[in-house]
Amino acid sequence: NAGVTQTPKFQVLKTGQSMTLQCAQDMNHNSMYWYRQDPGMGLRLIYYSASEGTTDKGEVPNGYNVSRLNKREFSLRLESAAPSQTSVYFCASTKGASSTEAFFGQGTRLTVV
Amino acid sequence: GESVGLHLPTLSVQEGDNSIINCAYSNSASDYFIWYKQESGKGPQFIIDIRSNMDKRQGQRVTVLLNKTVKHLSLQIAATQPGDSAVYFCAENSLTYFGNEKLTFGTGTRLTIIP
Repeated sequence: NAGVTQTPKFQVLKTGQSMTLQCAQDMNHNSMYWYRQDPGMGLRLIYYSASEGTTDKGEVPNGYNVSRLNKREFSLRLESAAPSQTSVYFCASTKGASSTEAFFGQGTRLTVV
Repeated sequence: GESVGLHLPTLSVQEGDNSIINCAYSNSASDYFIWYKQESGKGPQFIIDIRSNMDKRQGQRVTVLLNKTVKHLSLQIAATQPGDSAVYFCAENSLTYFGNEKLTFGTGTRLTIIP
């Protein structure tokens, strides 16, 4: 049982390049989330998906797009990377329906130069 | 607007002592408040939660207190151990206008256990 798997673990991009961060969970969870974590700050919610086929904006959605491909997978896309998007990105999932225990991936450390 | 924030960014505690980590929140409509622990280089891990209609909940060596009057949440860790050194986040689980759940986090407190 792998839990939540994120790929890649590390990535360096040049300004203006695009990339997709992948996330998959094998716990049959309904809700999935993307957060970013900057040094000295908490986790800020980028986008979330309460169920397959639905996505909603979080606190900091600008510059990102998401796709809930199926129940297992929730991807985060940067269309034109900017240095301000240098951060550690975490994907998480919960069962939904007032389930408070979120399971997190190991994170993707992204640097935009 | 909604916010979940912490009073102190760092806390140092002698091994064996009890520690208290505090959190202030502003969204009175949240259903649950949750504490997470994040060790270096890892994703956060669930510690304990408390429903908004409760005042206190105990787990193994941890107690969470909720004071709705002043919108304050605390995590008490008893008999701290070196393995308790980490960043602790409070979080809130609330429902959006469309009935979807949303999990938002505060800034975090770095707890250091002094041997």
